[in-house]
Amino acid sequence: DQQVKQNSPSLSVQEGRISILNCDYTNSMFDYFLWYKKYPAEGPTFLISISSIKDKNEDGRFTVFLNKSAKHLSLHIVPSQPGDSAVYFCAASGNNAGNMLTFGGGTRLMVKP
Amino acid sequence: DTGVSQDPRHKITKRGQNVTFRCDPISEHNRLYWYRQTLGQGPEFLTYFQNEAQLEKSRLLSDRFSAERPKGSFSTLEIQRTEQGDSAMYLCASSLGTGETQYFGPGTRLLVL
Repeated sequence: DQQVKQNSPSLSVQEGRISILNCDYTNSMFDYFLWYKKYPAEGPTFLISISSIKDKNEDGRFTVFLNKSAKHLSLHIVPSQPGDSAVYFCAASGNNAGNMLTFGGGTRLMVKP
Repeated sequence: DTGVSQDPRHKITKRGQNVTFRCDPISEHNRLYWYRQTLGQGPEFLTYFQNEAQLEKSRLLSDRFSAERPKGSFSTLEIQRTEQGDSAMYLCASSLGTGETQYFGPGTRLLVL
């Protein structure tokens, strides 16, 4: 049972436009959500996170929105740059001592110049 | 470089051989996590340590897998009698403590022939 899902395996966006990456989760015990970016042959790089007590968190070009009632979060990148081309993973952790992360399957973002 | 480091970056082995991977977390991070990522999937949790204590293991961690973190610093992950299904990227992450962001190393890519 996949508790975190990224239904779009890929997304193509023109440079300068907005990129919107989506993520859905099923486990209502999740209370902390993160987005990671991954280049080939490298480990995931932390981008931005949000606690379940908030519905929005912004950091520069990156904004994460959380809709708890819909169990949905999204990452907005504005403006998109060619260097943003990578695989993006959303991850969630719950109310457990370990805070281990449950990841979605990833979305490959391609930003065209 | 004060990030998480992993060694080796790549390992090719024959089925039935034993392999060992090493992870050096960010200094002062007392939590260390191991994840496994197969092609086209997000990382999956394997196990984690709080200092030198191994506190949780996933059902993915069969008895051929063993992890240690002596003295609460670096960690090793050993796979005995490797199988072709063990081929994956093995990722290590560390965090400062409970509820803190996990930072990932570059991973060790294992190929079992």
